[in-house]
Amino acid sequence: EEQLVESGGGLVQPGRTLRLSCKASGFIFEDYAMDWVRQAPGKGVEWVSGISWNSGTTDYADSVKGRFTISRDNAKNSLYLQMNSLRPEDTALYYCGKVVGATWGYIEYWGQGTLVTVSS
Amino acid sequence: EVVLTQSPGTLSLSPGDRATLSCRASQRLSGNYLAWYQQKPGQAPRLLIYGASSRATGIPDRFSGSGSGTDFTLTISRLEPDDFAVYYCQQYLNSPRTFGQGTKVEIK
Repeated sequence: EEQLVESGGGLVQPGRTLRLSCKASGFIFEDYAMDWVRQAPGKGVEWVSGISWNSGTTDYADSVKGRFTISRDNAKNSLYLQMNSLRPEDTALYYCGKVVGATWGYIEYWGQGTLVTVSS
Repeated sequence: EVVLTQSPGTLSLSPGDRATLSCRASQRLSGNYLAWYQQKPGQAPRLLIYGASSRATGIPDRFSGSGSGTDFTLTISRLEPDDFAVYYCQQYLNSPRTFGQGTKVEIK
């Protein structure tokens, strides 16, 4: 059974950093691109970042470009999101998602999310 | 950036009704690179439709997707109690892979 488990969320002050992790199991992690998507409380979903199977291609939403860095460790079946210079508007539930292809595509499976709260 | 506009914002219907949800793109989506997701309260989104009209594994046939170019539709032929939720479209042609703002299907 495919599974994605996010971790690393929490309460952080504006301007500080946080690193999210997503542990994958039940599929061949290195064969698939992965995305991060977030959802602010009571709002819709927003695509944040994506990474290809071999880390050769990374993409970011304009709202996080230059502050967030996506990465992966295929040996550890893990996806990461390094979040720097956090802002209150980054407060959201962060989901990792398994993308249908090796480079890009739709999200065929979602984790349950980890909550990030940016507040002083 | 491709902007997706979903309408209506809220759809108030009864079980057994037909639901028609719209998603309009600001640019033509060649290859019909559009997906639909369902999200219930407290849950992660779930893939329903990809390629504008292909149902994901395990999705009942009362869900159907159609459209091309800039105009896409998700139709639920006969609403069941479990279908009352929020629905999002997403384009995956270009980066950023944007979502629409969602349509809530609520019980009338």
